[in-house]
Amino acid sequence: DQQVKQNSPSLSVQEGRISILNCDYTNSMFDYFLWYKKYPAEGPTFLISISSIKDKNEDGRFTVFLNKSAKHLSLHIVPSQPGDSAVYFCAASPTGNQFYFGTGTSLTVIP
Amino acid sequence: DAMVIQNPRYQVTQFGKPVTLSCSQTLNHNVMYWYQQKSSQAPKLLFHYYDKDFNNEADTPDNFQSRRPNTSFCFLDIRSPGLGDAAMYLCATSRAWTGYTEAFFGQGTRLTVV
Repeated sequence: DQQVKQNSPSLSVQEGRISILNCDYTNSMFDYFLWYKKYPAEGPTFLISISSIKDKNEDGRFTVFLNKSAKHLSLHIVPSQPGDSAVYFCAASPTGNQFYFGTGTSLTVIP
Repeated sequence: DAMVIQNPRYQVTQFGKPVTLSCSQTLNHNVMYWYQQKSSQAPKLLFHYYDKDFNNEADTPDNFQSRRPNTSFCFLDIRSPGLGDAAMYLCATSRAWTGYTEAFFGQGTRLTVV
């Protein structure tokens, strides 16, 4: 049973525009959420996180929004750059250390 | 400098022949994880160690075992690999059990079963 869902397997965006990646979760015990970025032949690398006490966290071009009532989070990348092209995984945790991942969204930023 | 190192990067094993994947870390993190990721699927948590305490996910098959002889090393043993066990195996570490922290991943070991 997939507790973290990323319903869009792929997304294409023009360079300079906003990329919005979405994630839904089902477990109400999740209270910490992370986004990871993965290039081919590499392991996932941490991008940004948010705890359930916040509804927004920003780090440079990356912003994560959390809507707890809807059990939904999103990652906004603005402006998008070709180097952002990668697979993005959403992850959630009930404890801060036990992480459950979504299936990923492959982002392509078109120059 | 690599902080979570997995060896080998690619492993080919025969059906039914035991295989061991290794992971080492230079971060001195308490928690180490093993994930299995099949093509186009989410990384699936198999088990994790908090220090020497082993925590198995409920749906992890008995065919998968793990050892953590010290803080730096963790091994994934597949006792009798089947064709369905072909996947990318990811090792990760994190700092502590309490509080919020991210996991750091190795580059993964791609396992092929022939």
